[in-house]
Formats: sequence, C-alpha cells, structure tokens
Amino acid sequence: AQKVTQAQTEISVVEKEDVTLDCVYETRDTTYYLFWYKQPPSGELVFLIRRNSFDEQNEISGRYSWNFQKSTSSFNFTITASQVVDSAVYFCALERPSGTYKYIFGTGTRLKVLA
Amino acid sequence: EAQVTQNPRYLITVTGKKLTVTCSQNMNHEYMSWYRQDPGLGLRQIYYSMNVEVTDKGDVPEGYKVSRKEKRNFPLILESPSPNQTSLYFCASSVTWTGGNSPLHFGNGTRLTVT
Repeated sequence: AQKVTQAQTEISVVEKEDVTLDCVYETRDTTYYLFWYKQPPSGELVFLIRRNSFDEQNEISGRYSWNFQKSTSSFNFTITASQVVDSAVYFCALERPSGTYKYIFGTGTRLKVLA
Repeated sequence: EAQVTQNPRYLITVTGKKLTVTCSQNMNHEYMSWYRQDPGLGLRQIYYSMNVEVTDKGDVPEGYKVSRKEKRNFPLILESPSPNQTSLYFCASSVTWTGGNSPLHFGNGTRLTVT
C-alpha cells in the first residue's frame, strides 16, 4: 500500500522557536519522489522541495531544512527560527513514477507561529 | 506569467445540476491533474492526464469526469453533483509525467458547495 502519514495535525510554536514537521511514507517502489508543499492562509499551494529515493542527502535552504531517511521511511521538515509568515498548512506527498503515476498526499500539518 | 487558471473560484449549486470547473495552463505542461481537499483528509487525486487524450482515474474518481482535448485545458465535470462533493478543488500541472522531474503547479482552487 502507498501511504503518507503526517501524524501532527496541528502545531503551535512561538516565533523564533525551531519546529519539525514529520512525514512518514509507505511504498514498495524502489524509485519514488517525495515533496513538500506549503498552503498559506490565502489558500494556494506552493512547492517547497522534491527529493528522489536515491538521494538521501539532507538539504538546507535558508531557515528550511529537510531530513530524508530511507531506513525509517521519513522525510521530515524543520523550520529554524520560525516566523509568523511560516504559519500555514504543510503537505508531504509521495509520487510513484511507475505504474499509475499517482500522487499521494498526507493529511497536512497546520503550523501556527505566534508572535 | 506562467500559471494554472481555474474558474470559477467559488461556486454554489444544487444537487443534480451539471457543472464544469475549467482549468487552463500556459506552460505547455504534459501532465495535469485534479484534487479535492477536505478537512482531515488532505488532498486526494481525482483524475490525472499524462497528455492529450490520455486520462486515468486517481483515488476518488466517482462522480467526476474529465477530458483532455487540448494540451492546455483539463476541465472537471460533475454530471450530477451531490452534497458529498462539497469541497475545495485544485487543478495542477507539471512539465511531464515522468516521475519527479518537476513539481506540481497548482491553480488557486475552486470552492464548491452543493446544497
């Protein structure tokens, strides 16, 4: 079964705190892609990062960093020194490049950053 | 400006009255897809299209139809809407269907209410 689990429904932090959003996935494919998207209060969905299953290097982009671990089937997202503008719903997604080309999204984590 | 355009943004209709939500992209993308977003369920794929005249079901296709007669357009058709189709709908596109080569570009969403 293909599945993406974001167990944290909602997280609240105070500005400048670090926060990690968890993403655990299930797939039997050896080749797959993982994504994070952000949905701010305005409602649009914005791409943040993609990672293929053969690239386990962690990535840092400014205050954002991603930790991909195949051994634990996790693709976690950390925001360092959070800001109010980081308040949004964050979705983790799995894409299967073979077979039926389906995207599977997690249920999302709502992050509230309080001033 | 490169974009995915959905119309309308908001739609209130009654049970059984056929409706179409339009989606158009100006990026010459091969892959297009439709999602619905419901509280607690995240985004679920309704239908997708890998290219003109090539469409397939996603995870929740019941009650929906699509067509891909032109590369740029991918309308979502509800032949006989029911209240359980009340949801926030997103259209998305990406360069190709060949797995992870490009992220999804999303439209701004259509909030549909069926009474």
